[in-house]
Amino acid sequence: SQKIEQNSEALNIQEGKTATLTCNYTNYSPAYLQWYRQDPGRGPVFLLLIRENEKEKRKERLKVTFDTTLKQSLFHITASQPADSATYLCALDLNTDKLIFGTGTRLQVFP
Amino acid sequence: DARVTQTPRHKVTEMGQEVTMRCQPILGHNTVFWYRQTMMQGLELLAYFRNRAPLDDSGMPKDRFSAEMPDATLATLKIQPSEPRDSAVYFCASGLGSRGTQPQHFGDGTRLSIL
Repeated sequence: SQKIEQNSEALNIQEGKTATLTCNYTNYSPAYLQWYRQDPGRGPVFLLLIRENEKEKRKERLKVTFDTTLKQSLFHITASQPADSATYLCALDLNTDKLIFGTGTRLQVFP
Repeated sequence: DARVTQTPRHKVTEMGQEVTMRCQPILGHNTVFWYRQTMMQGLELLAYFRNRAPLDDSGMPKDRFSAEMPDATLATLKIQPSEPRDSAVYFCASGLGSRGTQPQHFGDGTRLSIL
């Protein structure tokens, strides 16, 4: 079955640095990959979508890469701020309307 | 901004009781999803609907869970009878379908505790 792996350990970085989160997947070749942000006590919020034929996608301070050979997506936040502290989830499409989500990586940005 | 609304936000009840969770999807969205989130399993899809028709409920324990969409503005998830292992946060999400090309919009969840 499809499997998604995200770093279960929290990522702690200093304000102003670039945060890089990893999403690895196996047993599948998704056509689309999405990233969401989740704050404590709230539902996930969509951030970015990248297609399999796109190597990179940017939105303001966010950048996502999609390497279908490595079966990996990297999510970067440049010039990180304490307000970026949250859990970040990656999700893959399952050739339907359904998505399968990773368990998320918690990011903590310290001033 | 349009939002998905879920009620109740919190529910504490005893084992064996019926639990009903409600969701109002964003107007115009044609797909509705129910997820369960736990620390151990993360976010798991329970069921989803397109144009109010159930398309997949393979993630749900069928003997105790049921999901319905009585109309386009209301989706319900029921557990009867509830068990302590059902304790989790239940999220509803809505979207425009189209196979992963569209984002899903989540509500803020129902935090369920079964004693």
